[in-house]
Amino acid sequence: EVQLVESGGGFVQTGGSLRLSCAASDFTVSDNYMTWVRQAPGKGLEWVSIIYSGGGTNYAGTAKGRFTISRDTSKNTLFLQMNSLRPEDTAVYYCASVRRTVTQEHYYYYHMDVWGQGTTVTVSS
Amino acid sequence: DIQMTQSPSSLSASVGDRVTITCQASRDVSNNLNWYQQKPGKAPKLLIYTVSNLKTGVPSRFSGGGSGTSFTFTISSLQPEDIATYYCQHYDNFLSFTFGPGTKVDFK
Repeated sequence: EVQLVESGGGFVQTGGSLRLSCAASDFTVSDNYMTWVRQAPGKGLEWVSIIYSGGGTNYAGTAKGRFTISRDTSKNTLFLQMNSLRPEDTAVYYCASVRRTVTQEHYYYYHMDVWGQGTTVTVSS
Repeated sequence: DIQMTQSPSSLSASVGDRVTITCQASRDVSNNLNWYQQKPGKAPKLLIYTVSNLKTGVPSRFSGGGSGTSFTFTISSLQPEDIATYYCQHYDNFLSFTFGPGTKVDFK
């Protein structure tokens, strides 16, 4: 069964850094698109970043320049390096796999298929 | 950027009721529209992808429809285990994803 397990969350002071990890089982991280989504306390879901199977990346505006998504093939693990953290980055961070479906007309569609259980990040002064 | 809205923001219904949630996009999003369910304290789960495709294993009482800028998510007969918050999600050609604000469903 495909499983994603996040770790690395915790308490950090404003301006500090954290690296989140997402370990995959029965699933090859580098063969897939992988993404991070966060949820602030009592709020909705907010997309953070994606890494494509080819290694390219994309970020939400709130993450660009501060967060870096990466992966380690040997460890089959996804990472999110978060720098210059702010109180508004306080959230539960989820990793998820992004599945691609292709139609007969060669259109590509995407959805977040398997999710981890989340890891909590608290940023405070 | 495309903005996603959902209505209602919350609703109360009884077991067996038909429940419909609407998701509106500020511009045409084609079929790039998914629906997720999130129960309190749990990770979201995909229910419907590409407007109307039910994920394998998801009960058939869930369905989705619509096109362009207006989409619907329906539970044909609400069950106790359906109490959750439901989110629509759009993505663009660069795979920047946007979630709707969510609709909280609970019992009357």
